[in-house]
Formats: sequence, C-alpha cells, structure tokens
Amino acid sequence: GENVEQHPSTLSVQEGDSAVIKCTYSDSASNYFPWYKQELGKRPQLIIDIRSNVGEKKDQRIAVTLNKTAKHFSLHITETQPEDSAVYFCAASWYNNNDMRFGAGTRLTVKP
Amino acid sequence: DGGITQSPKYLFRKEGQNVTLSCEQNLNHDAMYWYRQDPGQGLRLIYYSQIVNDFQKGDIAEGYSVSREKKESFPLTVTSAQKNPTAFYLCASTAGQGGRAPQHFGDGTRLSIL
Repeated sequence: GENVEQHPSTLSVQEGDSAVIKCTYSDSASNYFPWYKQELGKRPQLIIDIRSNVGEKKDQRIAVTLNKTAKHFSLHITETQPEDSAVYFCAASWYNNNDMRFGAGTRLTVKP
Repeated sequence: DGGITQSPKYLFRKEGQNVTLSCEQNLNHDAMYWYRQDPGQGLRLIYYSQIVNDFQKGDIAEGYSVSREKKESFPLTVTSAQKNPTAFYLCASTAGQGGRAPQHFGDGTRLSIL
C-alpha cells in the first residue's frame, strides 16, 4: 500500500520568511495530493491540493509543487505570519481507491 | 465543516468496557473514515467505508469495530480488546468514489481511560 513520509517534523521560521515542507510517496499510481492544516485541538482543514496532471498550484501565499518522477511533493508558504503556526499534513491517494494516506505531520512555528 | 458531527467531544472508558463514538454527516458523501491521532503523530487509518453496508480495515483496525447501516452514519466502537485506546479520534467523509476528493473532518472525540 501507499506510504507517505513527511519532513521535517518541526520547523521554526521568523515572521516574513518562507517555509517549505516536503513529502515523498511510494505508490506511483497515486494521483491526488492534498495538504491539511491542523491548529491545536481542532480538526484538520484542507488548505491546498494538487492532482498528478499538474506540476504546481498556487493560492495566494501557499503553493504546492509535484514531481511525479521523483514521487515527491512540497508545500511552500511565503511571507509567513504567526497565524500560520500549526501542524501541516500531506496526504496521497489514487484514483479508484478511497484509502488516503497521511504523512506524520510538520509542526510549523512562526516567530513574530 | 459543520456537515460532520462527532460526539461526544470527550469520552472516558473504564477497564473492560466497550465505548461507541458517533459520526454523522449531512453532506451526502459516499465515503467515510475513522482515524486515530496520537500526540505529536499523524493520522492513522482505522476503518473506512465506501458505501452503505460495506467497510474495510485500515492499518490499525485491531480492537475496533464499525458499522455503516446508513449513508449518514459511521459509528466506531472501541472494544475492550484495544488495550491503549487513549487518543484523539477523527471522522472524515469524501464526496464521490475514488481518491480524487478532499476529506472533510469532524471536530474529533478525545478518548481517555479512567
């Protein structure tokens, strides 16, 4: 089955700097890659996703890139703000399979 | 999302007791999931269901059971066989078939042992 690895497990940046979180996956059939943000004690919420027919997607300060050949995808947050502090999870799944697998999470701290 | 309701928010289990966590959704989603989240860790899949009266085991199904008698409901029972049940449990649902849609999560249930 699919295995998703996420790095780093913790990340601390200064406000205004960029943050990058990387994930790798094992199943080359995976074709849907969402990213979730989870604030302390709350539910994970989708922040951006990408499908395998696209190499990059942006939404304001957030972008995701996908390298299918290398089987890795990354989350980029620019101009970080203290409210970006949370745990971020990547995930992967593939067409015809409802079994979505999550990375272990990255705890991002943005220092004011 | 207000469309997925988990209850209770906090639950305490006594030794040898079975407890059931409720998950209801009004999003008309076909697929539903249960995840376990331990402190500082990711989401581990317990069970998932793609359609009514059908469900599959995830990575850590031992000590848990589920049912899917209605499209809207996917309750999770933590049995006495689960020796370390203390965790945060998240229910999620997805529209349609196939792994092409994002999951919508409930607010979670925090289970502890008395």
